[in-house]
Amino acid sequence: QVQLQESGPGLVKPSETLSLTCTVSGGSISGYSWNWIRQPPGKGLEWIGYIYYSGSTNYKPSLTSRVTMSVDTSKNQFSLRLSSVTAADTAVYYCARKTGKPYYIDYWGQGTLVTVSS
Amino acid sequence: DIQMTQSPSSLSASVGDRVTITCRASQSISTYLNWYQQKPGKAPKVLLYAASTLQSGVPSRFSASGSGTDFTLTISSLQPEDFATYYCQQSSNTPLTFGQGTRLEIE
Repeated sequence: QVQLQESGPGLVKPSETLSLTCTVSGGSISGYSWNWIRQPPGKGLEWIGYIYYSGSTNYKPSLTSRVTMSVDTSKNQFSLRLSSVTAADTAVYYCARKTGKPYYIDYWGQGTLVTVSS
Repeated sequence: DIQMTQSPSSLSASVGDRVTITCRASQSISTYLNWYQQKPGKAPKVLLYAASTLQSGVPSRFSASGSGTDFTLTISSLQPEDFATYYCQQSSNTPLTFGQGTRLEIE
């Protein structure tokens, strides 16, 4: 059974960089795209972007200037960095696996709340 | 970006009721439409993908249909564990986008 687990600071100061890592267990990171999705408190889901196991990326255009994703296949991990954060970036951040065609999210991490506050 | 619009935004129903949630895409997405269920404090869980394919382990009271721009999710006989928020999501184009959610509450 594939499991995903997010890790990283729960509190980030405004203008600083949010950094999260997702560790994948129970399966290989190869062959899939690995996504970050966030959900502000009480609101809906927003896709941030994905990274393939090969390292190629696809980011939401409105976040492209601030987002960097990376993958470490040797550790079965992938990571998110979001720079210049503001209070609007406060959310539960999920890492998730997307299948090949027909492209749906089949596994999710439990989510981690990141609060942007001084 | 492809906009996904769900209706209703919230719905009150009783155990045993049949309920339908609709999702409309701002442009044709063929059958690249997925449905997720989310309970408070939990990650979403896929119910159906490719517009109508039931995910393994999901009860058969859940069904869905549609193609192009108009899609529906139907729960044939509501069970207590079905009270949750439901999201549609398109995977035709990036950025991937979700509907705003439909909150299903006990009447």
